Amino acid sequence: QSALTQPPSVSGSPGQSVTISCTGTRTDVGHYNRVSWYQQPPGTVPKLIIYEVTRRPSGVPDRFAGSKSGNTASLTISGLQTEDEAYYYCSSYTSSNTGVFGGGTKLTVL
Amino acid sequence: QDQLVQSGAEVKTPGSSVKVSCKASVGTFSNYAMSWVRQAPGQGLEWMGGIPIFGPASYAEKFQGRVTISTDESTNTAYMELSSLRSEDTAVYYCARDQGVVITSAFDIWGQGTMVTVSS
Repeated sequence: QSALTQPPSVSGSPGQSVTISCTGTRTDVGHYNRVSWYQQPPGTVPKLIIYEVTRRPSGVPDRFAGSKSGNTASLTISGLQTEDEAYYYCSSYTSSNTGVFGGGTKLTVL
Repeated sequence: QDQLVQSGAEVKTPGSSVKVSCKASVGTFSNYAMSWVRQAPGQGLEWMGGIPIFGPASYAEKFQGRVTISTDESTNTAYMELSSLRSEDTAVYYCARDQGVVITSAFDIWGQGTMVTVSS
């Protein structure tokens, strides 16, 4: 099972929006609505911010939104804030009954 | 509040095995699937394997034959054992609770992480 593909880095200014893509295959992202996103500031434990493609856990601001089209899922962060600077990882369930993560994307808030 | 508390850091020699524990709240393993995820220094997250509330554990192909994941409901503890250790296994190992009763890759609660260093 190959890792999902994410861009290594994205950046934006405070108040702007950024979108992070996560490309898989028809045996994972494309087949199941079990795509999640995690936020991990350096030195911290990952935090779940999106699950089942679009759903947000309690306490996660609605500035974070997930979507999916075909084999690619996306995380959009609107109204960027300096505290959003972190690594972001997508994950998906696969047809092999396993999980798989993306390589991670570093978000820099300029 | 539910939490996962992992065992302490380990230093191992190449070729040996390590067993990391993850203590959960009462009833966790009868209501949620559990997974183990690792993160090498400066690298991304890597799913190693998981265990649903019913049925056998499932493992990433990369770790097949080298990793064993189990749970003990009597002590509310999950275990991950990795054998034939090599330097590339140096990483922080996390246990993570899945939102579902089967593996869904939606991990809402994470342990604090256990650093495993493999060095001769």
